[in-house]
Amino acid sequence: GQNIDQPTEMTATEGAIVQINCTYQTSGFNGLFWYQQHAGEAPTFLSYNVLDGLEEKGRFSSFLSRSKGYSYLLLKELQMKDSASYLCAVTDSNYQLIWGAGTKLIIKP
Amino acid sequence: IAGITQAPTSQILAAGRRMTLRCTQDMRHNAMYWYRQDLGLGLRLIHYSNTAGTTGKGEVPDGYSVSRANTDDFPLTLASAVPSQTSVYFCASSDGEAPYNEQFFGPGTRLTVL
Repeated sequence: GQNIDQPTEMTATEGAIVQINCTYQTSGFNGLFWYQQHAGEAPTFLSYNVLDGLEEKGRFSSFLSRSKGYSYLLLKELQMKDSASYLCAVTDSNYQLIWGAGTKLIIKP
Repeated sequence: IAGITQAPTSQILAAGRRMTLRCTQDMRHNAMYWYRQDLGLGLRLIHYSNTAGTTGKGEVPDGYSVSRANTDDFPLTLASAVPSQTSVYFCASSDGEAPYNEQFFGPGTRLTVL
């Protein structure tokens, strides 16, 4: 079967750094997405990785290791507005997105 | 440019009633999707359409039907609603250019079936 695992919830302090991990087992791999979802809102795109390595975009970075079936999202200089759920999703061999359950990130002052 | 719109925003429905959730996009995307999102389960694909005139079943299609008469609209119908269909429903679209298929989401419909 296909499976994506993420921690259910994480807590971090404003101004700090947090790493949200995602491991996956899917039928094929055609890329990995990270989305952000604020409570009561729709998911919005954060990043896409298809090759191994680190992609940096401002305060957010995403890393991929295809051989390990592993990705992480790194958030630096945390702000209160970063409190949200972060969803990991993998494009499988049929080009469908397989979604993780999401990680709820709580930022404390 | 609106992107993707969904209607209604929320709805309370009696069990056994028929309900259609509407979804319209103005980005001329080929592919469209319907998801339901339940606490602790993440997004689950109900039905999808890779292009106008075609539809396919996702992970949880039972009790739901869709149609794709044109590029812009992708309605989801619950023929006879049951309480287990209480959920938040998201419509999404992508330009379908594999393998990069970033999906854009509508604001969601919160449905309660009593």
